[in-house]
Amino acid sequence: DTGVSQNPRHKITKRGQNVTFRCDPISEHNRLYWYRQTLGQGPEFLTYFQNEAQLEKSRLLSDRFSAERPKGSFSTLEIQRTEQGDSAMYLCASSLQGYGYTFGSGTRLTVV
Amino acid sequence: KNEVEQSPQNLTAQEGEFITINCSYSVGISALHWLQQHPGGGIVSLFMLSSGKKKHGRLIATINIQEKHSSLHITASHPRDSAVYICAVSLTDKLIFGTGTRLQVFP
Repeated sequence: DTGVSQNPRHKITKRGQNVTFRCDPISEHNRLYWYRQTLGQGPEFLTYFQNEAQLEKSRLLSDRFSAERPKGSFSTLEIQRTEQGDSAMYLCASSLQGYGYTFGSGTRLTVV
Repeated sequence: KNEVEQSPQNLTAQEGEFITINCSYSVGISALHWLQQHPGGGIVSLFMLSSGKKKHGRLIATINIQEKHSSLHITASHPRDSAVYICAVSLTDKLIFGTGTRLQVFP
């Protein structure tokens, strides 16, 4: 197992376009988290899954954001009608029952 | 007021110096994490603590549950230690992060 994998590493998109990011967690981990990090700040919680169930969503996750984890394996985070304020690093992490976290390298989104 | 506060925000040191980064939190937690983030974004977990002290190589992490305070120490600092160090606390189902301490160690 090579850890948590995120794709793409970088994404540049025009305002108004839709984007989708993918996260492949460590296979034994049942929990998967999405965080967003803007420059100079710590990561902020967006949402998390236990297996395929999405158990919590932050108020930061507007209606333009949707996350899925079909079959409890990989997860996707989609942002519709992107805005410049969506520019950030999107981080994925996985854990086994919340014990210890392994982070991916993140997807850096730039909305122009 | 943030639930997790770190100090200092920025820290510069000469190679070989002893470094301390502090973290205070205001909520009940199940564990506290120290993480390292290099340019480019990847985050590496250094320690997870619920009490006492842990040591790994030149890194030492301590936590005082009663005072809601933790410290990360780096002994004999080296330029490769240059990174952002982030304190995060585990609530029931997620992590809450501090804003990080940017450390630069010069040769």
